[in-house]
Amino acid sequence: EIVLTQSPATLSVSPGERATLSCRASQSVSSDLAWYQQKPGQAPRLLIYGASNKATDVPARFSASGSGTEFTLTITSLQSDDFAVYYCQSYNNWPPWTFGQGTKVEIK
Amino acid sequence: QVQLVQSGAEVKMPGASVRVSCKASGYSFSDYYIHWVRQAPGQGLEWMGWINPDSGDTDYAQNFQGRVTMTRDTSLSTTYMHLSRLASDDTGLYYCARGGSSAWYPSEDWGQGTLVTVSS
Repeated sequence: EIVLTQSPATLSVSPGERATLSCRASQSVSSDLAWYQQKPGQAPRLLIYGASNKATDVPARFSASGSGTEFTLTITSLQSDDFAVYYCQSYNNWPPWTFGQGTKVEIK
Repeated sequence: QVQLVQSGAEVKMPGASVRVSCKASGYSFSDYYIHWVRQAPGQGLEWMGWINPDSGDTDYAQNFQGRVTMTRDTSLSTTYMHLSRLASDDTGLYYCARGGSSAWYPSEDWGQGTLVTVSS
């Protein structure tokens, strides 16, 4: 069973700065990796699928890369709306969905 | 537009069962898998299982095997998640999410979540 490990657990960033989030898979998931953003009281929102493809209406400041076991989500010039928890998710092998434990991006 | 509307909050006693519904609209119900995901208070996302609305086939996470049943009513475009033998650590938000034409797709469409509280 695939395990996704996200780092760091919490990232303190000032508005306007860059945030880099990491997700490591215990075995290769190819490019079958997604990133979600979740704000308090809301359902997760899909940001990235296929490791690097933006979902609908995702701002240009979000980008992602990686394949195999190492993945990165980058948010350039953080805005107030971006402070949230971010989850990576693999959809390769079994179980069909595996989530990382999340990275909280908070205001510094 | 795609919408998944879930049933309202539930409060249950330990040992009881709960059924959460997820009504889909805005797309062809039978063409997309539905997943269920749990989120304990202040915790991360935990996949529970999926149902193929077309065939009714299901697959469940090992942590929920034997306690969870997912069904669907195609005439109502609704899927159901039934969880039995509830314990206090089953308290949390339960989400349905629309997958793809197979189980191995992420989801762009989620329900609003249903809070299930298990307490004596």
